[in-house]
Amino acid sequence: AQTVTQSQPEMSVQEAETVTLSCTYDTSESNYYLFWYKQPPSRQMILVIRQEAYKQQNATENRFSVNFQKAAKSFSLKISDSQLGDTAMYFCAFMKLGNEKLTFGTGTRLTIIP
Amino acid sequence: NAGVTQTPKFRILKIGQSMTLQCTQDMNHNYMYWYRQDPGMGLKLIYYSVGAGITDKGEVPNGYNVSRSTTEDFPLRLELAAPSQTSVYFCASKRIAGGAETQYFGPGTRLLVL
Repeated sequence: AQTVTQSQPEMSVQEAETVTLSCTYDTSESNYYLFWYKQPPSRQMILVIRQEAYKQQNATENRFSVNFQKAAKSFSLKISDSQLGDTAMYFCAFMKLGNEKLTFGTGTRLTIIP
Repeated sequence: NAGVTQTPKFRILKIGQSMTLQCTQDMNHNYMYWYRQDPGMGLKLIYYSVGAGITDKGEVPNGYNVSRSTTEDFPLRLELAAPSQTSVYFCASKRIAGGAETQYFGPGTRLLVL
């Protein structure tokens, strides 16, 4: 079974600074997807970024980028030029290719300080 | 498009009562999911469906039932509510299989069993 670990329960950073959220996972699979989801106070789950394990290039979406280290089973999220709207819970998630089941980590609560 | 809608937003149940959580999507998505989120935890998959008439168990199906008679609707049934089912329930949908497709989440239903 797959497990996803987020070792930082809470983080805070000043507005406009850069912050990195950590995620590690454990799997014996070689083909899979990794995701970062954002959950603001409204509780809506919003996809931030996804990474296919077969791609060596790290995914980027505007101010959001990942550092995917497949051998180390590490998948960190970097938020650049952080904004007040980035305040939210952030969940790392894993999906095995061909399987519809998402496995989530326990989340990191990120607070952006004005 | 309204996206994924869930009703009710909040409900209090007594132990042993039953209820149905409603989920509807208007995006003509084939895949639909039910998750629960316990305090301080990530989401866990309860059941999912790959199309009308087809459902399958997720990680935590005990105590729940689902049906999928139409593409749009995917209700979740609790037959004998227990305090352990106190949680926030999220419904999600996506168009086709695979991790390359984004799951769209509803706003959640908060359930309290006393």
